[in-house]
Amino acid sequence: DVKVTQSSRYLVKRTGEKVFLECVQDMDHENMFWYRQDPGLGLRLIYFSYDVKMKEKGDIPEGYSVSREKKERFSLILESASTNQTSMYLCASRIDRGRDEQFFGPGTRLTVL
Amino acid sequence: QQQVKQSPQSLIVQKGGISIINCAYENTAFDYFPWYQQFPGKGPALLIAIRPDVSEKKEGRFTISFNKSAKQFSLHIMDSQPGDSATYFCAASRRSGNTPLVFGKGTRLSVIA
Repeated sequence: DVKVTQSSRYLVKRTGEKVFLECVQDMDHENMFWYRQDPGLGLRLIYFSYDVKMKEKGDIPEGYSVSREKKERFSLILESASTNQTSMYLCASRIDRGRDEQFFGPGTRLTVL
Repeated sequence: QQQVKQSPQSLIVQKGGISIINCAYENTAFDYFPWYQQFPGKGPALLIAIRPDVSEKKEGRFTISFNKSAKQFSLHIMDSQPGDSATYFCAASRRSGNTPLVFGKGTRLSVIA
């Protein structure tokens, strides 16, 4: 079974802190994604990576950056956390094509105080 | 970013009834249309998907109907059960290439006894 794991289920941080969210997949997938999920807004794509060291902006990249130094790991970084970044963050991976099933992690509920 | 418009935002159905969720897309280059199901506390998971060369795909109680000319597709859940209560997301993408899925905003389905 494909497994996508996220480093934390719940995280509480203070405004201005630098926050790292880690995602690891164990199936040698080329593509990885970071979304945030908010009520009424659905899944919004923050960044995605189609290969190691490659990254592309999604719909809402402002205030975020990413890192993919190894194929299995995709990190989301909040450079200076703000209260409007309180959200559920979901990581996903897929083999390498639009037709490929996308596997999601369980999510990280981030609260910024 | 090309949109996928999903309706309704929420849906309440009696046990045994039919649940219907509709989606419309804009980009005629899309040729892969999956539905994802998300239970509380979990990441979304692929439920069923369709290609535009067929008008309908059925898997158990779940059916996708596809209307290429209208650029619309819908999910029908027959004999809806309380265990089907979840959030459903439609999505669209190109089968080839590694562009990300475009998700609808989701429908929260509640099946009541």
